[in-house]
Amino acid sequence: GAVVSQHPSRVICKSGTSVKIECRSLDFQATTMFWYRQFPKQSLMLMATSNEGSKATYEQGVEKDKFLINHASLTLSTLTVTSAHPEDSSFYICSAKLDWNQPQHFGDGTRLSIL
Amino acid sequence: AQSVTQLGSHVSVSEGALVLLRCNYSSSVPPYLFWYVQYPNQGLQLLLKYTSAATLVKGINGFEAEFKKSETSFHLTKPSAHMSDAAEYFCAVTQEEGTSYGKLTFGQGTILTVHP
Repeated sequence: GAVVSQHPSRVICKSGTSVKIECRSLDFQATTMFWYRQFPKQSLMLMATSNEGSKATYEQGVEKDKFLINHASLTLSTLTVTSAHPEDSSFYICSAKLDWNQPQHFGDGTRLSIL
Repeated sequence: AQSVTQLGSHVSVSEGALVLLRCNYSSSVPPYLFWYVQYPNQGLQLLLKYTSAATLVKGINGFEAEFKKSETSFHLTKPSAHMSDAAEYFCAVTQEEGTSYGKLTFGQGTILTVHP
């Protein structure tokens, strides 16, 4: 089945640090990748939709300069949390889909903790 | 616009008992519906999907769900719960067309506990 790899699985860093999270589709080419944020005991909230070779589309309320998304190839999308602060601490999950009528396949998430 | 409501944030069953997790959706155009399972500190795993074909959908691990348009529901069931089914379950909807095309909207999640 379709496999999505997300790295790193956990990050602990100081306030003000920028953190990059990678999302890779291992056995398929993903036309679209999505980035979600999940707070403890809550559901997933879509942050942005990323299409290869074009700018990401951010959901309302998500700062595009804070959460930089790059989708340079059909198998890799990156999310960079710039100048992270404690309120950015969360569980970030990416997903990827092959085509318009295919389901999203999720990575295992990245637990980000900002001290 | 689209939305999902999962009735019951926690469901507790005995091992071997029926599992029923409820999901109601709202969508202005024909929906695609999904159930995902999430184990602690992991991403989501697709259990099953409805994409306008058969209304009774069978998924992995013995789960199935029935799409009922008249009730705008997509409840998840399993005849006999297993201890390994304990996890959080999310219902999600996307649309075949329109501005929400391809975007998943998730329900609030239901934590399933299975007692020996």
